[in-house]
Amino acid sequence: GENVEQHPSTLSVQEGDSAVIKCTYSDSASNYFPWYKQELGKRPQLIIDIRSNVGEKKDQRIAVTLNKTAKHFSLHITETQPEDSAVYFCAASIWGAGGTSYGKLTFGQGTILTVHP
Amino acid sequence: GAVVSQHPSRVICKSGTSVKIECRSLDFQATTMFWYRQFPKQSLMLMATSNEGSKATYEQGVEKDKFLINHASLTLSTLTVTSAHPEDSSFYICSARPAAGGNTIYFGEGSWLTVV
Repeated sequence: GENVEQHPSTLSVQEGDSAVIKCTYSDSASNYFPWYKQELGKRPQLIIDIRSNVGEKKDQRIAVTLNKTAKHFSLHITETQPEDSAVYFCAASIWGAGGTSYGKLTFGQGTILTVHP
Repeated sequence: GAVVSQHPSRVICKSGTSVKIECRSLDFQATTMFWYRQFPKQSLMLMATSNEGSKATYEQGVEKDKFLINHASLTLSTLTVTSAHPEDSSFYICSARPAAGGNTIYFGEGSWLTVV
């Protein structure tokens, strides 16, 4: 099955700095890579996602890059703010025409991001 | 947007008892729902895939007789933790994908289970 590795496990930055979180995956069939932000005791919130036919996607201060050949993808947050502090998870999934695995997410281990004012 | 509701949000039960957690899609039909378990400071680990009208598919290492999943309708899946033990204490969260298709998975709010 799929295996997703995420690094670093903790990341501390100063407000205004950039933060980068990296993930690798093992299953070359995976084609959908979402990133989630989770606050303690809450549901994960989708912040950005990318599909395997795209190499990069940006949404305001957040961007994701994907290298299919190397099987890794990264989250980039620029101009970090204290409210960005949370746990971030990458995930990988096979997104296709259907089938029981459609929508099944394999998560990375998570990164605790702390943004200091 | 689409909403997935879980109930209860918090539950405390005694060792040896069973507890049921509901995952309900409020405004869409979901032929497939997923159940995850998240221990404190850890990641979400998929436990099983719940399929409407058929048996759930369990991930390796998850005891199907301990974690009973029923997906009897297109809007409701239930997870029953049987003979609960303190080590079952965790955050359980479901997700659902709309039967109509689309590119989004919707998560429930999660349920905190504490077994004493």
